[in-house]
Amino acid sequence: AQSVTQLDSQVPVFEEAPVELRCNYSSSVSVYLFWYVQYPNQGLQLLLKYLSGSTLVESINGFEAEFNKSQTSFHLRKPSVHISDTAEYFCAVSEGNDMRFGAGTRLTVKP
Amino acid sequence: NAGVTQTPKFRVLKTGQSMTLLCAQDMNHEYMYWYRQDPGMGLRLIHYSVGEGTTAKGEVPDGYNVSRLKKQNFLLGLESAAPSQTSVYFCASGRTSGVHEQFFGPGTRLTVL
Repeated sequence: AQSVTQLDSQVPVFEEAPVELRCNYSSSVSVYLFWYVQYPNQGLQLLLKYLSGSTLVESINGFEAEFNKSQTSFHLRKPSVHISDTAEYFCAVSEGNDMRFGAGTRLTVKP
Repeated sequence: NAGVTQTPKFRVLKTGQSMTLLCAQDMNHEYMYWYRQDPGMGLRLIHYSVGEGTTAKGEVPDGYNVSRLKKQNFLLGLESAAPSQTSVYFCASGRTSGVHEQFFGPGTRLTVL
């Protein structure tokens, strides 16, 4: 079964700084990759996903993630963060009926 | 549309008590899931269902039972609660597995004393 590793449990950054949240996965077959965001006291919401095609995928609020098959990574980036981006971010890998989530990265944006 | 709703939002149980968590979705999704979220461990799949009348075990099924008698509802039962089951429980639904995203409910915070 696949597994997902999010390399940083907490990432503090200042407002308007760039940020990268790292995600690596292990799987021997083709997978689908997702990033979800969880705001305080809420459920998870889809941020973006990679299914096939272009390895760079973007969300509507400025986040992007790049699928790197050789490094089995799907890192999430944003060139300039806002206070409202403060949340927990989960990387997920889907294979068949099984979706596995990483442990999460708590992004804190400071003024 | 309400999306995915969960009842109750909070619950405190004593060890050995039983309870049922209710999940409802109004998106006509075939697939439904129950997860638990614990600090530093992300979300772990307890049970899931690929359609009305079907259920399957996930990663951490022990101590839980589920039922999917109606397509829109997915129930999670704890027959004899234990402190190790203190967690936040999330229900999710999706059109299918694989390529399609899952839609999550707001969660149920359960404390077992």
